Amino acid sequence: DAGVTQSPTHLIKTRGQQVTLRCSPKSGHDTVSWYQQALGQGPQFIFQYYEEEERQRGNFPDRFSGHQFPNYSSELNVNALLLGDSALYLCASRGGLAGTDTQYFGPGTRLTVL
Amino acid sequence: QQQVKQSPQSLIVQKGGISIINCAYENTAFDYFPWYQQFPGKGPALLIAIRPDVSEKKEGRFTISFNKSAKQFSLHIMDSQPGDSATYFCAAPGTASKLTFGTGTRLQVTL
Repeated sequence: DAGVTQSPTHLIKTRGQQVTLRCSPKSGHDTVSWYQQALGQGPQFIFQYYEEEERQRGNFPDRFSGHQFPNYSSELNVNALLLGDSALYLCASRGGLAGTDTQYFGPGTRLTVL
Repeated sequence: QQQVKQSPQSLIVQKGGISIINCAYENTAFDYFPWYQQFPGKGPALLIAIRPDVSEKKEGRFTISFNKSAKQFSLHIMDSQPGDSATYFCAAPGTASKLTFGTGTRLQVTL
């Protein structure tokens, strides 16, 4: 049973460019959340998708957008990249919105903006 | 925005010693308190979690202690091993499972 998978592993972009990160949830999970983890910091919640809709959003600008597909996989898009967007982007999945079921994290995508 | 305050920022423990990491939270509506372990280059992995209806939970060498009145919970790692060297995060869920993470504790276990 594959866990949460993310692609690509690493990515280098320049300021102003756009980037798309991808996530496949753990088998049986239908809820995907995205987190940004800056170096030496804890993960910060970006947004969450369930039933192909954004259900919750953290304190991130509209340059950050996402999508969830019918197979529950998800994409994170970041437009007009800034140097400060350099971070590890983590995807987490769980079953459903309610309750306190464990969120499982993927290995992350390391984004470097030059 | 709810906060979870974690201390210490870093910790060095000798092999066989006890590692203790503390977290304090604000929102009394939190009902699930997980600890995550993260190795360099990896995503966080759930280590152990507790619900507020119990004051302590033990899994192997890892124990969570929960003090509801003080709004604090802590992680104890008994008989710490070099393989435990990692960054540890406490977290609390907000609405619909949005996790709020602490700032992390970098643990180094020396020989």
